[in-house]
Amino acid sequence: ELKVEQNPLFLSMQEGKNYTIYCNYSTTSDRLYWYRQDPGKSLESLFVLLSNGAVKQEGRLMASLDTKARLSTLHITAAVHDLSATYFCAVDYNQGGKLIFGQGTELSVKP
Amino acid sequence: ETGVTQTPRHLVMGMTNKKSLKCEQHLGHNAMYWYKQSAKKPLELMFVYNFKEQTENNSVPSRFSPECPNSSHLFLHLHTLQPEDSALYLCASSQAGGGATDTQYFGPGTRLTVL
Repeated sequence: ELKVEQNPLFLSMQEGKNYTIYCNYSTTSDRLYWYRQDPGKSLESLFVLLSNGAVKQEGRLMASLDTKARLSTLHITAAVHDLSATYFCAVDYNQGGKLIFGQGTELSVKP
Repeated sequence: ETGVTQTPRHLVMGMTNKKSLKCEQHLGHNAMYWYKQSAKKPLELMFVYNFKEQTENNSVPSRFSPECPNSSHLFLHLHTLQPEDSALYLCASSQAGGGATDTQYFGPGTRLTVL
């Protein structure tokens, strides 16, 4: 059974600081997704990573994928308050649309 | 309407009631999904439909009954639910189940409370 684990689960950081969220998964997959969820809102797609070594960047967020290590990272650069949200990684279990989600990382960026 | 819409946004029901959740996607996608999001737990995939055919049932109790009459609409029929079924139910759609660049787009969810 595929398991997806994120850490940390809670992250409180100051504006301007850098930090990384980790997503480990337990079986082979080369499709990984990152989503953002604001309180009371739905999930917003951030990145799709499709191959080993894939790196995608959007604004202050950068995601990478290492399929050999079964690890994806979401790096936050110079955090701002608007990035406060819960971030989920999800792995496509069988390349058939069956996404297995991590527990989510609740990020709070404080001034 | 754009994207993925869900109605109702909030629903309170008793354990003996029967209700339905509706999802509609306006993206021209071929695959639709139901997820359950409970407090303090990861999103759980419930059902997957590709081209109106159910391709995944993730061991969901029979008190949840999905229906997909066409590629744009997805329903979740609810009956004799339990309080532990209270959760946010999210619908999603994608271009085709399993495509290389397939991204699932989510609706706003229905917040369900079972009394």
